[in-house]
Amino acid sequence: GAGVSQSPSNKVTEKGKDVELRCDPISGHTALYWYRQSLGQGLEFLIYFQGNSAPDKSGLPSDRFSAERTGGSVSTLTIQRTQQEDSAVYLCASSLSAVERETQYFGPGTRLLVL
Amino acid sequence: AQSVAQPEDQVNVAEGNPLTVKCTYSVSGNPYLFWYVQYPNRGLQFLLKYITGDNLVKGSYGFEAEFNKSQTSFHLKKPSALVSDSALYFCAVRDYGGATNKLIFGTGTLLAVQP
Repeated sequence: GAGVSQSPSNKVTEKGKDVELRCDPISGHTALYWYRQSLGQGLEFLIYFQGNSAPDKSGLPSDRFSAERTGGSVSTLTIQRTQQEDSAVYLCASSLSAVERETQYFGPGTRLLVL
Repeated sequence: AQSVAQPEDQVNVAEGNPLTVKCTYSVSGNPYLFWYVQYPNRGLQFLLKYITGDNLVKGSYGFEAEFNKSQTSFHLKKPSALVSDSALYFCAVRDYGGATNKLIFGTGTLLAVQP
């Protein structure tokens, strides 16, 4: 079946601009995660959605970062006033539920470069 | 807090030889451990996980991992390496201290298989 999809695959933007990254989880998966992969920080958690519950935003690095999940499916990660340190690969993952034993399946990522 | 460590930045092995990629963990309760592989410019692909039960876990592409509670290790192994196994490997532990159950990743180990 279809896996997690993300768009765009690559994004180049200028410092100070806003960007939106999209994630389409596996159909039927109720839990959705965003992670960031960068050279300096490795793989780090950003935000988590589970069903209709309030998202866990504890990993967002600043208030320039926000995310929403509409209709319990597609999610959009928005970065406002981008900075060069935001350059990274943004990975989305989904799992059937948020139970500890469930596997998270990752999308191909969006590579963001802020000039 | 949960954490994992991958002590080797890179592992080199000749094709046909057995390979081991090391991972140690630190958790405050039952460990839920995962291995993922990342090929260049791709997302993370799930290989295998340990939840409970047998200490030897078998996964995709002929990989297996051995859970060792006394040594707090979860090393990834394969009896005979292929050149196509060359990739970046991540060990991860489920952080279930809160409601998020996010993954906490190691720093990654680059596996290079020489023909």
